[in-house]
Amino acid sequence: GAVVSQHPSWVICKSGTSVKIECRSLDFQATTMFWYRQFPKQSLMLMATSNEGSKATYEQGVEKDKFLINHASLTLSTLTVTSAHPEDSSFYICSAREIGGTGELFFGEGSRLTVL
Amino acid sequence: RKEVEQDPGPFNVPEGATVAFNCTYSNSASQSFFWYRQDCRKEPKLLMSVYSSGNEDGRFTAQLNRASQYISLLIRDSKLSDSATYLCVVNGDNTDKLIFGTGTRLQVFP
Repeated sequence: GAVVSQHPSWVICKSGTSVKIECRSLDFQATTMFWYRQFPKQSLMLMATSNEGSKATYEQGVEKDKFLINHASLTLSTLTVTSAHPEDSSFYICSAREIGGTGELFFGEGSRLTVL
Repeated sequence: RKEVEQDPGPFNVPEGATVAFNCTYSNSASQSFFWYRQDCRKEPKLLMSVYSSGNEDGRFTAQLNRASQYISLLIRDSKLSDSATYLCVVNGDNTDKLIFGTGTRLQVFP
């Protein structure tokens, strides 16, 4: 199946710093990628839809100035958590759907962020 | 009411047992339904799509009841490797937006 790679897998940072997470579709192109957040024992919550060449669409309650999304190419989307705080500590997962594919969503391995 | 609701479990079953999970969804306009599997601290992986007529993939059978707005997953002859969290996923207002349930945890013991 198609492969989506996320980097880094885990990151620990100090409060107030910014962290960038990359999501790459390795063997297919995706005009749309999705960013989710999952807190322990909770479901994946869609944060935003990343659109190649245009602005991301954010879900209600997600601060677009705090979670910056850039989808510069058909194979790369980045999520930057700006001025991270301990409450931002979570598991961030991206997914992508192949252009002209079956519609299946392929997920990255996830990035575990811990803010001290 | 949550958009997608699942019993969190855990369901503890012996190897070889048959186990069933249900999931209810609130948006009657939803068109796409899936079961994903998520292992601890890993990303979700598609287990199977759910079709209106019901579908089977080996030991796994999925059913959809649109009138009652629920989806089920049946696992026969459980294996130790089936231990995971099973996520019920439904599309939301548009086909791109997927809503995840909190998942049902299954633990298969020897």
